[in-house]
Amino acid sequence: DAKTTQPPSMDCAEGRAANLPCNHSTISGNEYVYWYRQIHSQGPQYIIHGLKNNETNEMASLIITEDRKSSTLILPHATLRDTAVYYCIVRVVNNDMRFGAGTRLTVKP
Amino acid sequence: GAGVSQSPRYKVAKRGQDVALRCDPISGHVSLFWYQQALGQGPEFLTYFQNEAQLDKSGLPSDRFFAERPEGSVSTLKIQRTQQEDSAVYLCASSSLDRGHAFFGQGTRLTVV
Repeated sequence: DAKTTQPPSMDCAEGRAANLPCNHSTISGNEYVYWYRQIHSQGPQYIIHGLKNNETNEMASLIITEDRKSSTLILPHATLRDTAVYYCIVRVVNNDMRFGAGTRLTVKP
Repeated sequence: GAGVSQSPRYKVAKRGQDVALRCDPISGHVSLFWYQQALGQGPEFLTYFQNEAQLDKSGLPSDRFFAERPEGSVSTLKIQRTQQEDSAVYLCASSSLDRGHAFFGQGTRLTVV
């Protein structure tokens, strides 16, 4: 029971920004938005998380709307190695964590 | 070790056989999660521990599945009388209480023949 909605697939040109949307209209006040990605045959990898403020780290930026009902993960300069399935998850910190189907991002040369 | 370690990486079991999958979390991580991932699907939640307490086992698909973490570190997922539909990658993740985000192992690929 994932609580998030993501497009099943997206394409992005190498070197361009990849913007991956996520809807979480039923998010609760104490739930964070987490993003993970999974490259083929590997375990999921943490990317970033946030509560209500926008966040940036060395991998990506996370933009959360003011009403917190949606968010966007931004990979500023996508490379071929960013091809993966990206998962958006909402959860209370230190509570269980449930994945949806994710977005399959394909970065094309 | 530096990351979450799972063993074995690959397991082939005959239908009806019992299997045990091991997860060594990152040292000091309080939370531990198990997931089942079928081919082409997202990880499906199985169960969650804080220390040795199993706080949520609602995702275990049947009473053939059992998980334990007796000393609050290493965890074992046991599947009794394996069936073909149990074939999947079993993922383990751990996290600390203060950071919240989880680190995943490489998974154990179980094939039931």
